Amino acid sequence: DGGITQSPKYLFRKEGQNVTLSCEQNLNHDAMYWYRQDPGQGLRLIYYSQIVNDFQKGDIAEGYSVSREKKESFPLTVTSAQKNPTAFYLCASSTGDRIYYGYTFGSGTRLTVV
Amino acid sequence: AQSVTQLDSHVSVSEGTPVLLRCNYSSSYSPSLFWYVQHPNKGLQLLLKYTSAATLVKGINGFEAEFKKSETSFHLTKPSAHMSDAAEYFCVVKGYSSASKIIFGSGTRLSIRP
Repeated sequence: DGGITQSPKYLFRKEGQNVTLSCEQNLNHDAMYWYRQDPGQGLRLIYYSQIVNDFQKGDIAEGYSVSREKKESFPLTVTSAQKNPTAFYLCASSTGDRIYYGYTFGSGTRLTVV
Repeated sequence: AQSVTQLDSHVSVSEGTPVLLRCNYSSSYSPSLFWYVQHPNKGLQLLLKYTSAATLVKGINGFEAEFKKSETSFHLTKPSAHMSDAAEYFCVVKGYSSASKIIFGSGTRLSIRP
């Protein structure tokens, strides 16, 4: 079945560490996105990529980095510069068409700073 | 610029009674509108979408929403609530152009009383 796989489901980070969240899709979607979700809030866009080897900052990119070396993969690194990384992180993908038909979401990674 | 407002942060209904989750939007041109559902610690699942076709949109699990341009609303309804409907619901708007941002509402938590 086609879909998006995020791993790990739970991740713990020590202060000062970089951690990488994985996102893989087999939907042949061109566009991929990373969102951050905090309790009681909507989703905030961190980074997005509409094509391989290209990506743009979203609304809250500081302290995060991404790469898009393959169409299927869009890993997110949470760096030590991100001062408040504890959150639920969601990866999504969509077709690259001009008409937007909606996202397919992964099941999320919950990151906790310990 | 687009914006979306979910008018209730929490709605509680009894099982078997109707559900109404309210969403108002602002968009310069004809927007695309979506409702997503999120169960605890899960990704978001697309319930239904409006993309300038019929104004009454039917989605999965018995949900439907009506696009009312004069009221700039896209409220989500269901005739009879089921315990499995308990979740967080997000209203999402996207403007007409491919460059338009996708904006998530802050979410409405739906609780179902036995």
